[in-house]
Amino acid sequence: GAVVSQHPSWVICKSGTSVKIECRSLDFQATTMFWYRQFPKQSLMLMATSNEGSKATYEQGVEKDKFLINHASLTLSTLTVTSAHPEDSSFYICSAGLGEKLFFGSGTQLSVL
Amino acid sequence: SQELEQSPQSLIVQEGKNLTINCTSSKTLYGLYWYKQKYGEGLIFLMMLQKGGEEKSHEKITAKLDEKKQQSSLHITASQPSHAGIYLCGADTWNSGNTPLVFGKGTRLSVIA
Repeated sequence: GAVVSQHPSWVICKSGTSVKIECRSLDFQATTMFWYRQFPKQSLMLMATSNEGSKATYEQGVEKDKFLINHASLTLSTLTVTSAHPEDSSFYICSAGLGEKLFFGSGTQLSVL
Repeated sequence: SQELEQSPQSLIVQEGKNLTINCTSSKTLYGLYWYKQKYGEGLIFLMMLQKGGEEKSHEKITAKLDEKKQQSSLHITASQPSHAGIYLCGADTWNSGNTPLVFGKGTRLSVIA
């Protein structure tokens, strides 16, 4: 079946640094990918829609200058958390669609110290 | 906007018992997904329902979508410790892999011996 690969699985960084998370569709092309965030004991919340070759669409309340999304190819979208702070610590997960189904990456646990 | 209510929020069952998790939408569901997750890990796709009255089963898990396509249930028969985790329902607003899912808040299932 279709596979979405996300890397890294977890990352610990110092406050003020930037972290890049990659999301790859391994065996299919995805013109659109989605980035979700999940805080402990809460549901997944959509952050932004990543569109290949164009600007990402951000959900209300998500800072586009803080969460930089780049979808440079049909198989790769990246999310960069810039100047990370402890409140950005969360579980980030991407998804990509193939036909009627959405496939999810394995997620990235970000801890900002 | 689409909202999904999941119930119960948490559930503790004895191994071998049956259980049901419900997912109710404020609007008609064009596609309803069930996922299993352990926090900090990726989502595991369980089933997708599209048609009113549809029912799907995989091993000991059965999912149903009502005729009005506004409510879905996930039933686990003879629960096992391996069933423990967080179950999320997600709604597809356009029945397409190119639109993001809206998620319920999840149901945390614990199975005790």
